[in-house]
Amino acid sequence: QSVLTQPPSVSGAPGQRVTISCTGSSSNIGAGYDVHWYQQLPGTAPKLLIYGNSNRPSGVPDRFSGSKSGTSASLAITGLQAEDEADYYCQSYDSSLSGPHWVFGGGTKLTVL
Amino acid sequence: EVQLLESGGGLVQPGGSLRLSCAASGFTFSSYAMSWVRQAPGKGLEWVSAISGSGGSTYYADSVKGRFTISRDNSKNTLYLQMNSLRAEDTAVYYCAKDLLGGGPGDSTLFDYWGQGTLVTVSS
Repeated sequence: QSVLTQPPSVSGAPGQRVTISCTGSSSNIGAGYDVHWYQQLPGTAPKLLIYGNSNRPSGVPDRFSGSKSGTSASLAITGLQAEDEADYYCQSYDSSLSGPHWVFGGGTKLTVL
Repeated sequence: EVQLLESGGGLVQPGGSLRLSCAASGFTFSSYAMSWVRQAPGKGLEWVSAISGSGGSTYYADSVKGRFTISRDNSKNTLYLQMNSLRAEDTAVYYCAKDLLGGGPGDSTLFDYWGQGTLVTVSS
């Protein structure tokens, strides 16, 4: 059971827009800590997709965007393409009683129909 | 070009030990915090442990605290994870990951480069 909650799966047709939610709590996202997103293509290591809630590293298409509000964050992908089919993970910081931790969501599998 | 290359994975019996290594290149290794992140077969990502650039501060997930030890040798640009008292639930691909920001780790820690991973299988 992950500290950050994501839907297990989302799907969309090519060209459509999809969003992936990431819900946390008052000890992580709600405490003001940034949310970051990673894309993991099948059989490969994760790749940084969005950092600091809404910033794209160099080379990431502007079809990918992120936002954050309250205890949740969202990743939006517009103009869906077949190569976007992957697992997506959110990540943040958690100031729990047992010490600093860096936490991930459970992951969302994106299927391009 | 930043490169992270893990090694040391393999099959180990429950209760056994293993040491993972991550050889880094392409950046000033001692200036960046590093982490280990694992992924059980068919499951999501789980942060395991982090270490500051100097090696003076270390952090562990509750699931591995007391069993795993993270360390680094900045003269060799290498990160380590000593894993003792291994359990079946430690079976996973273990990735080393570099913090985007210098200093740390801290509440802004995120991972801009990842290795290819090394598989650890705990089974009798």
